[in-house]
Order: sequence, then C-alpha cells, then structure tokens
Amino acid sequence: GAVVSQHPSRVICKSGTSVKIECRSLDFQATTMFWYRQFPKQSLMLMATSNEGSKATYEQGVEKDKFLINHASLTLSTLTVTSAHPEDSSFYICSARAPRDSGNTIYFGEGSWLTVV
Amino acid sequence: AQTVTQSQPEMSVQEAETVTLSCTYDTSESNYYLFWYKQPPSRQMILVIRQEAYKQQNATENRFSVNFQKAAKSFSLKISDSQLGDTAMYFCAFMKKTGTALIFGKGTTLSVSS
Repeated sequence: GAVVSQHPSRVICKSGTSVKIECRSLDFQATTMFWYRQFPKQSLMLMATSNEGSKATYEQGVEKDKFLINHASLTLSTLTVTSAHPEDSSFYICSARAPRDSGNTIYFGEGSWLTVV
Repeated sequence: AQTVTQSQPEMSVQEAETVTLSCTYDTSESNYYLFWYKQPPSRQMILVIRQEAYKQQNATENRFSVNFQKAAKSFSLKISDSQLGDTAMYFCAFMKKTGTALIFGKGTTLSVSS
C-alpha cells in the first residue's frame, strides 16, 4: 500500500479561488517533505521544502504568497494554491523522507492534477 | 549547486533487447546518492535503483543495473531483456548525503515495442 498519500488526486477549481492539496506520510514521521510541480512531458521541478514546525523553504522563482505550505504535524504537509489562475494548472507531487534509521528513503505521493478554469 | 543532465529525450527499444539511458551530473559534494526513477503514464514515481556514491560496486536490481563512474560523474542505467511494461519516462536524480531534496534530470522517454 501507499506509504505517502496525496489528496485529492484530481481537482478542478474556478479562477480566483484557492485549493488545498494534502500530503500524508502513513507509516513514518516525516520532518521534511518536498513539493514538486510537473508540466506535461517535463521533469519534476522542486517548489519548496516543507519543514515540520517551521516555515517552508521556497526555491527561487516560486511565489511564497501564492503557494502556501504548511507542515503542522509530522505526518501532514499541505500546499494551498491561492487565487488560482489557469497557468497554475499542473501536476503537483509531494515526497517525504523517511528517518535516517529507516534508510533515508524518499517516498512519493500519487500526485494531484490541478485544473483551473 | 547540483545539476543533473539527461541528454536523450527519447529512446526506443525492441522487446527483449538491452537499452542504456545516460545521465551525467555535477556536484562538489563527495558523498551523495544517485537514483533512477520510472514514471509510467499513471504518473506514480517508482524507484528503479539507487546508488551510494561511496560504494564502488555498481547497483543492480534484477534486469536493471547501473554503470557508476564517479570520476566522470556519470550514472547510466542499463535495462536488460526489455519488457513492454518498461515503457515510461525515466528520471535520473541526485541527493546529497545530508538528505536534501532530490534534483531531477529532464527525463528520457523510453518506448518498448513488440
């Protein structure tokens, strides 16, 4: 079964509204989670590193106020796309790092398709 | 900063044949991990193989093996006895030993035909 669960898998929202995507680690506590964005036939681009109990670290060019990341517990990180526009339509995928004593393995969620209309 | 380069946007191979996907990377780190991930049309990221930089022995996982050349900063993936289910996009990725985010190459789309 899934070790990292992402929800929703698909979401359609109206332009100007906000949408939240959840990323949960099911079998371990993840102090660090990562959010990526992927356009069709392109690579995964790191958006931000989500740290439990502290502010996320955003990559250059990623708008902090547009892509709000909250990592309030050791098993949940959320990405909120605020005031969504059609250009925000994309595939968003999260990953979580298992603790070092569990091999430091990276697990990926199933991804979320966001369509802004 | 670390960079990962995959110079083959697309590759094709016949079933049962062998194919090699190329990957080079650039880093000043001495200790790190390298990965190959497979992304089928479902978009689920599937770990194919993992290599720790301090290990000289090339990693193998059944039909998948790597040729890790640390000095040349090269990390190619060999798929033997290709199967139709191997059709997917393949990403080479780098991660520091300290466990920062995975940095991905642009990917290689592999098509296996019968």
